[in-house]
Amino acid sequence: ELKVEQNPLFLSMQEGKNYTIYCNYSTTSDRLYWYRQDPGKSLESLFVLLSNGAVKQEGRLMASLDTKARLSTLHITAAVHDLSATYFCAVEGRGSTLGRLYFGRGTQLTVWP
Amino acid sequence: DSGVTQTPKHLITATGQRVTLRCSPRSGDLSVYWYQQSLDQGLQFLIHYYNGEERAKGNILERFSAQQFPDLHSELNLSSLELGDSALYFCASSVDAYGEAFFGQGTRLTVV
Repeated sequence: ELKVEQNPLFLSMQEGKNYTIYCNYSTTSDRLYWYRQDPGKSLESLFVLLSNGAVKQEGRLMASLDTKARLSTLHITAAVHDLSATYFCAVEGRGSTLGRLYFGRGTQLTVWP
Repeated sequence: DSGVTQTPKHLITATGQRVTLRCSPRSGDLSVYWYQQSLDQGLQFLIHYYNGEERAKGNILERFSAQQFPDLHSELNLSSLELGDSALYFCASSVDAYGEAFFGQGTRLTVV
């Protein structure tokens, strides 16, 4: 079964600093997603990455995908408090599991002044 | 707002009881997915329906069942509830049988 590993699981960073969250997955996939979740709330779609070398940016967040290494990164630039949330990487299955998302455990990000 | 509607938002019930969670997908979406989120298991896929038919099952307990109706809304039925079933249950929908899924607000189930 497809496995997704995220690290770190907990990240505490000062405002203004940069950091990267890593997402490794075990088998080939055609689509990778990043979601944001605030405590007790829904999952908000941030990025959809479809091809090797894909890079997408939205504000202070930038996501990239290396399908050969089965690695995606979520880079945070000049963090602000509003970015505090849990970030999930999810990989879509193929074949009989097409459509199914396999989630990492999430990275709980806390940004402090 | 993702456009996916789940009801109820909160549910408190006793062990051994049965509950039904409801999901209305975004307009035009044919797929509905159910996920369970708990502290120990994280986000786990339960089941996927596409245009009224079951497409895939995950680690869904035999006590749980689901269906998708002709109007494309879906219901997740949980029976003989146990304390360990307490979790946040999410419904998501997508246009096709794959691709980007949009999540509802979830139903927080507490079994006491």
